[in-house]
Amino acid sequence: DTEVTQTPKHLVMGMTNKKSLKCEQHMGHRAMYWYKQKAKKPPELMFVYSYEKLSINESVPSRFSPECPNSSLLNLHLHALQPEDSALYLCASSPTGGRNEKLFFGSGTQLSVL
Amino acid sequence: GENVEQHPSTLSVQEGDSAVIKCTYSDSASNYFPWYKQELGKRPQLIIDIRSNVGEKKDQRIAVTLNKTAKHFSLHITETQPEDSAVYFCAAIHGSNYKLTFGKGTLLTVNP
Repeated sequence: DTEVTQTPKHLVMGMTNKKSLKCEQHMGHRAMYWYKQKAKKPPELMFVYSYEKLSINESVPSRFSPECPNSSLLNLHLHALQPEDSALYLCASSPTGGRNEKLFFGSGTQLSVL
Repeated sequence: GENVEQHPSTLSVQEGDSAVIKCTYSDSASNYFPWYKQELGKRPQLIIDIRSNVGEKKDQRIAVTLNKTAKHFSLHITETQPEDSAVYFCAAIHGSNYKLTFGKGTLLTVNP
């Protein structure tokens, strides 16, 4: 299995809602990532988990809360989002988070905040 | 931190022609350079990568070259086909924190 699976594929939420994005991989990878991608822009790194520990937080607002329950799962909890948070949220994984590793991306969750 | 510049931002070619996309990076300690292809509404997919101990790598119609001295690397696509139309991102790994930095992307259009 070489897939990174993300659910849901699409999400529409109001600014007062609480929702969660989910990501799963069964490649035995120990590093997992959240990226945010606006239309016609490159992906921007949000968070990195390495061996289930948060290793990088790119100064992301606290309305985004990541969680890594185990080595196969990664969640992104959303609360009180703003319309400008509408974007494609991509999950990715790599073997250990080392320097020369290939990233495997999921298909993403297209999020719209109304 | 690492800075990756990518050119051109758009590229239009006729089917069968070659396409070249160029990137430069700032961190001399960077040593891994992947290229991603992203079709509209889909995930970025790794199409080829190169490590700093190699000057060139080829996979069928796709090749990447790396000039470490000049700190630039290029993607070459030969015999382009309409299905090559997509946004292509170059990237580099930052030397100290293993963060992947992307270029701004190139929209490649292959006209039949």
